[in-house]
Amino acid sequence: SQTIHQWPATLVQPVGSPLSLECTVEGTSNPNLYWYRQAAGRGLQLLFYSVGIGQISSEVPQNLSASRPQDRQFILSSKKLLLSDSGFYLCAWVPTFRTYNEQFFGPGTRLTVL
Amino acid sequence: AQSVTQLDSHVSVSEGTPVLLRCNYSSSYSPSLFWYVQHPNKGLQLLLKYTSAATLVKGINGFEAEFKKSETSFHLTKPSAHMSDAAEYFCVVSEMNTGFQKLVFGTGTRLLVSP
Repeated sequence: SQTIHQWPATLVQPVGSPLSLECTVEGTSNPNLYWYRQAAGRGLQLLFYSVGIGQISSEVPQNLSASRPQDRQFILSSKKLLLSDSGFYLCAWVPTFRTYNEQFFGPGTRLTVL
Repeated sequence: AQSVTQLDSHVSVSEGTPVLLRCNYSSSYSPSLFWYVQHPNKGLQLLLKYTSAATLVKGINGFEAEFKKSETSFHLTKPSAHMSDAAEYFCVVSEMNTGFQKLVFGTGTRLLVSP
């Protein structure tokens, strides 16, 4: 069966510090991968998606970047965090051969920037 | 572009009473629709999905939703609320863009269940 992991679970970082959040998927190959952010009391905003190694698309301009160094690894980064980067970050995946099907979400990372 | 509107930001019910969470969508073609549930500080779990098969969709934990094309609605219901149903619920529409699937989320409805 497939599983998705995210770490760390929680993170408190000062403004201006770097960030690296990791997401890995097990039990599948060549998934489409997604990074979402959920601000307090709001819905999910798609940040990045990837259809393959090294292929990253950004949905909104922001202080963050993403990379996919391996097939089942997706990393969210920042060189200098802003207060507005605080939120709940969710990684998700979907098999590439399936269309119009649900995405599977990881447990999320709670990021607080102080 | 497709969009989803969740009509209520909060819904309060008593345990044992029916639940109705409303969702309207906008789509230029026959959409795929989903309801996800999120408990505090947790990831999202799929409740149910509609993908152009039966219009009445049954999901987990006794939830169901009916796709009504004429009303562009996909409301979520449950006959009898349980305390464990208290959570945030998201209505979601799926769209395809050059072979890539993208989910568009509503802003969520927080369900409060009182004893």
